[in-house]
Amino acid sequence: EIVLTQSPGTLSLSPGERATLSCRASQSVTSNYLVWYQQKPGQAPRLLIYGASSRATGIPDRFSGSGSGTDFTLTISRLEPEDFAMYYCQQSGSSRTFGQGTKVEVK
Amino acid sequence: EVQLVESGGDLVQAGGSLRLSCAASGFTFRSYAMNWVRQAPGKGLAWVSYISGSGATMEYADSVKGRFTISRDNAKNSLFLLMNSLRDEDTAVYYCARANFYSGYGEFDYWGQGALVTVSS
Repeated sequence: EIVLTQSPGTLSLSPGERATLSCRASQSVTSNYLVWYQQKPGQAPRLLIYGASSRATGIPDRFSGSGSGTDFTLTISRLEPEDFAMYYCQQSGSSRTFGQGTKVEVK
Repeated sequence: EVQLVESGGDLVQAGGSLRLSCAASGFTFRSYAMNWVRQAPGKGLAWVSYISGSGATMEYADSVKGRFTISRDNAKNSLFLLMNSLRDEDTAVYYCARANFYSGYGEFDYWGQGALVTVSS
């Protein structure tokens, strides 16, 4: 099973700042089958990024994904108030697993 | 508009059984693989099970293998999860999620609102 480790656990930032979230896999993720989701309290997850770097429909361009192999990054260029939430990475190249999440909170 | 609506969540005793349903609308259901994902209270997301569009292929997380069964009725646009031998650690909100393989990656592009399953001992 591919284990995904997200860091940091919590990111404390102010609106307008840049957020950089990391997702590291225990082995190479096949063909960049790496996905990022956002989840707010009491809501279902929302798809942000698929294929490591492709934005889902309707996702603002301040969200970007990068990386390959075992190291992936989600970047939010300038945090908006609605971006403070939990973020999860997921791989679907070998079965399916999620990372434990990164909380982006207001500093 | 794509919609996924779960039902069947309940309070059940440890060792008992429960069947979750997910009603799909707004897309050609038989053309999409589906998944169940769960989230224990205050915890992260955990993938539970996958079924192909035709229903011929099913996959399970090790934690539920042999206890849970995923199925679908394409004529009724419905997805199911039969959960047997329930344990305390199965307590969670269960989401159904559509897998979009048309992108080439199988990401979960639509999710239901979730159904709460509580297992009491």
